[in-house]
Amino acid sequence: GAVVSQHPSRVICKSGTSVKIECRSLDFQATTMFWYRQFPKQSLMLMATSNEGSKATYEQGVEKDKFLINHASLTLSTLTVTSAHPEDSSFYICSAEGLAGEKETQYFGPGTRLLVL
Amino acid sequence: QQPVQSPQAVILREGEDAVINCSSSKALYSVHWYRQKHGEAPVFLMILLKGGEQKGHEKISASFNEKKQQSSLYLTASQLSYSGTYFCGTAPKSSGNTGKLIFGQGTTLQVKP
Repeated sequence: GAVVSQHPSRVICKSGTSVKIECRSLDFQATTMFWYRQFPKQSLMLMATSNEGSKATYEQGVEKDKFLINHASLTLSTLTVTSAHPEDSSFYICSAEGLAGEKETQYFGPGTRLLVL
Repeated sequence: QQPVQSPQAVILREGEDAVINCSSSKALYSVHWYRQKHGEAPVFLMILLKGGEQKGHEKISASFNEKKQQSSLYLTASQLSYSGTYFCGTAPKSSGNTGKLIFGQGTTLQVKP
């Protein structure tokens, strides 16, 4: 139980294009999903908190117009990196929190490696 | 605001023990421990929700000292598979019960044969 998937696992795009990353909880309903970014050899930095049916809450310094988050259902959240630039290249990981397994536990997806050329 | 983990890195021989500490400057609801292998996503190890709580499975256990705002992860009789970067994630009370986690900088553990 408590499986979270992400798609795609890797993406390479040209500067200026937009990229959409999907995060799905496969066997449980996720009341809340979180989006993180991780640069090489660094920690996980929370970008935003996403609750189903409401607007995402962004962390300080994260541009909400650049990183669009949609949480359309209890099993799906999407992150769209708009007008991507090389500095947006990173490992993007989502996590889902629900009632599966231990309460209040976040289960991470496998991550999406984004490379912007 | 980011919790501080120590040590930053540790190298062990198989069978040896290690302790990883996580210290926060803020009062905490809970502490979560994860292990991440290179190029992969973090894998949940355990969550500690109450001060004084101790948990463990197999040879990995953890404790949470709520008053000191600290948690420790104990790895005993380490195996090669324990290698990776360990992160503590803290849920500060100042964030409300939002589920938000603030992660430490990580502790890299390498277990050698």
